[in-house]
Amino acid sequence: DAGVIQSPRHEVTEMGQEVTLRCKPISGHNSLFWYRQTMMRGLELLIYFNNNVPIDDSGMPEDRFSAKMPNASFSTLKIQPSEPRDSAVYFCASMPGGGGTEAFFGQGTRLTVV
Amino acid sequence: KQEVTQIPAALSVPEGENLVLNCSFTDSAIYNLQWFRQDPGKGLTSLLLIQSSQREQTSGRLNASLDKSSGRSTLYIAASQPGDSATYLCAASKDNYGQNFVFGPGTRLSVLP
Repeated sequence: DAGVIQSPRHEVTEMGQEVTLRCKPISGHNSLFWYRQTMMRGLELLIYFNNNVPIDDSGMPEDRFSAKMPNASFSTLKIQPSEPRDSAVYFCASMPGGGGTEAFFGQGTRLTVV
Repeated sequence: KQEVTQIPAALSVPEGENLVLNCSFTDSAIYNLQWFRQDPGKGLTSLLLIQSSQREQTSGRLNASLDKSSGRSTLYIAASQPGDSATYLCAASKDNYGQNFVFGPGTRLSVLP
């Protein structure tokens, strides 16, 4: 398996524009997570899906953020409208599910909002 | 609310030295604890996973220990190499689904040749 695949790797957009980040989890993994990493706040969990269903979105910072998982092999994180303070690295991770398993991270998307 | 801290924030050692990275967590009711490695501009790679019922895990030159009662975990790296240079993060999970992973800020390790 190629691991967790995220696209794009880098995104530069203007304030107010819509941004969509994409993630393909490892085949067979039941759980998918979106994280955001900044220098100030470190790694923060945004939302978690289990079997394509959003379980916990309490980490989503504002209504401007939304995430979907239409099937087991694809998820999106959308920011609309984007703001400069959204600039960060966004990671997607997947886990096989069940007890005590490792989390596998994608390479991340570096988002810059100018 | 679980809080995870790591000390030191940065560490620089000469090649060949043995070293210890520290991770502390405030809530001892954890399900497991993972150590990750992050290279600049890259994602996180899982190094070791310790279940709450375990005391330690070993992989090659890496050994991670867990003391739930004291809220501490350590990552021991033997015979460090320049290729070990990276940021090391620990994450405490409250359940087996991982959504309550709380990450520490990381320790940035530099191993000098």
